[in-house]
Amino acid sequence: DTQMTQSPSTLSASIGDRVTISCRTSQSITDWLAWYQQRPGKPPKLLMYQGSRLERGVSSRFSGSGSGTDFTLTINNLQPDDFAVYYCQQYKTYPWTFGQGTRVEI
Amino acid sequence: QVQLYQSGPGLVKPSQTLSLTCAISGDHISSNRAAWNWLRQSPSRGFEWLGRTYYRSKWYNDYATFVKGRIMFNSDTSRNQFSLQLNSVTPGDTAVYYCAREVTKLGTNYGLGVWGQGTSVTVSS
Repeated sequence: DTQMTQSPSTLSASIGDRVTISCRTSQSITDWLAWYQQRPGKPPKLLMYQGSRLERGVSSRFSGSGSGTDFTLTINNLQPDDFAVYYCQQYKTYPWTFGQGTRVEI
Repeated sequence: QVQLYQSGPGLVKPSQTLSLTCAISGDHISSNRAAWNWLRQSPSRGFEWLGRTYYRSKWYNDYATFVKGRIMFNSDTSRNQFSLQLNSVTPGDTAVYYCAREVTKLGTNYGLGVWGQGTSVTVSS
């Protein structure tokens, strides 16, 4: 299985900050990577797919980059709604696997 | 707008079968661009992908190795829904279960863009 390692596990930030979340995979997945946001008690919400492509309707303050084994999710101008848990997920090889999550908190 | 609505019991006894259904609105289960996934989330193991079912001239099922032999998907085109059956459950299968739609078009995989609301399932006697 492709192992996913996110860092940091928790990130403390303030409104208006720019934050970055890292996702590293145990083998190359080219750009078959998605990012999700999850709020308590809710299903995940897709933010990015194919590494850097913004899902329709998602704020352009979110951006993704990377390929191969190293990926980054960047959130610019952090807003109150952005305080949540973020997950990366690979869909290059079965089984699809997820990172352990990064909690963005105030 | 595509929506998925999950139904099924929240409590299952050990050794019995967990059964969940995911009803689709706004798309068709036989769409040649969609795949219908099942996942679960627990505090101890995080997200686990269980598998997916999809139609490309015939039905295909992909199952995660760790549940192979215990899991089965069914697709009901007349009701436009799909279901999960997980046999011989143990307390380790306690989790929030999700269905989700994955879209692939012209070589691009658009990720899991639509999710069901989640079903919290506890395995306990």
